[in-house]
Amino acid sequence: EIVMTQSPAALSVSPGERATLSCRASQSINSNLAWYQQKPGQAPRLLIYGASTRATGIPARFSGSGSGTEFTLTISSLQSEDFAVYYCQQYENWPCTFGQGTTLEMK
Amino acid sequence: QVQLVESGGGVVQPGTSLRLSCAASGFTFSRYGMHWVRQAPGKGLEWVAVISYDGSIKYYADSVKGRFTISRDNSKNRLYLQVNSLRAEDTAIYYCAKDYNFGYYFDNWGQGTLVTVSS
Repeated sequence: EIVMTQSPAALSVSPGERATLSCRASQSINSNLAWYQQKPGQAPRLLIYGASTRATGIPARFSGSGSGTEFTLTISSLQSEDFAVYYCQQYENWPCTFGQGTTLEMK
Repeated sequence: QVQLVESGGGVVQPGTSLRLSCAASGFTFSRYGMHWVRQAPGKGLEWVAVISYDGSIKYYADSVKGRFTISRDNSKNRLYLQVNSLRAEDTAIYYCAKDYNFGYYFDNWGQGTLVTVSS
């Protein structure tokens, strides 16, 4: 099973600033990585797939990068609605696995 | 637009069974793989099971193998999860999620149904 490790566990950032979230895979997953956003009481929402492609309707301030084992989600200028929990997920191999999540908090 | 609506959750005793259901609409259900993903209270996401578009391929997480069974009825646009021998650690919100194809990412999610296992 591929283990996905996200860092940091929590990140405190002010609105308007940039946030950088990291995700590491225990072995190469090529670009088979997705990012999801989850707000309290809501289902997750797909943000990024293929490590860097934004899903339909996702604002351009969200960007993904990386390949192999190291990946980054960057939110260029945080809006109030961006404070949430973010998960990465690999789909290189079964079982697909998620990171433990990064909580993005407002400073 | 894609809609996924789960039902069937509830409060049950350990060792009992439930059948979760997911009603799909807004897309050609019979063309896509479908998943169940769960989230224990205050915890992260855990993939549970997947079924191929025609039901011929099924995979399960080790934590539920032998106890849970995923199935689908393409004539009714419905996905199911039969959950047997429930344990306290199965307490979670169970989400139905649509695959981009099969073995990819989850491009649409339902709102979830809560299963609580408690004596």
